Amino acid sequence: GNSVTQMEGPVTLSEEAFLTINCTYTATGYPSLFWYVQYPGEGLQLLLKATKADDKGSNKGFEATYRKETTSFHLEKGSVQVSDSAVYFCALSVIGQTSGSRLTFGEGTQLTVNP
Amino acid sequence: DGGITQSPKYLFRKEGQNVTLSCEQNLNHDAMYWYRQDPGQGLRLIYYSQIVNDFQKGDIAEGYSVSREKKESFPLTVTSAQKNPTAFYLCASSIGYRTILAKNIQYFGAGTRLSVL
Repeated sequence: GNSVTQMEGPVTLSEEAFLTINCTYTATGYPSLFWYVQYPGEGLQLLLKATKADDKGSNKGFEATYRKETTSFHLEKGSVQVSDSAVYFCALSVIGQTSGSRLTFGEGTQLTVNP
Repeated sequence: DGGITQSPKYLFRKEGQNVTLSCEQNLNHDAMYWYRQDPGQGLRLIYYSQIVNDFQKGDIAEGYSVSREKKESFPLTVTSAQKNPTAFYLCASSIGYRTILAKNIQYFGAGTRLSVL
């Protein structure tokens, strides 16, 4: 089956610090990989995605590279801001005849950025 | 504006009561999904529907029921058989499984928080 493992949280950083949130996966088939972000009390928003090996997804200063050899999709940002405080979810999707494009999520990593 | 609307934002259930959570989308998406989120945990799939009048069980369907009579609507009923319903419920939609994977991104509503009285 498919699974996603994220680094344990919570993560607390000072403003302008470097961020890495680790994500590894196992999948039957060839997955697409996603990072979603959830701000307090809200639903999830797509942050970035990558659909094939060596693709780099990027958005709002965040980046993640699809590494097939290490089955990883680590999220990075060079300089975090207080407004980046949220929960970050790594997810994968594999197209299947009976399962459509259902997402498999990691447990989420709570990020708090202090001024 | 196009998007997904979930209502109500907060819902309270009494013992033995069924409650229904609404999810409406105007994105013209074929596929819709219901997830449950518990504190400190990821999202778990309850039910999903790839097309009108069709739906499949996800990983935690017991105690829940759904219908998909219209393309834009996918209501979730939390039945009295669900003994631990307190959670944050998220609805999502995507273009559909027939679309190439790169475009089949899921878009989420703002969620409904269900509590037991």
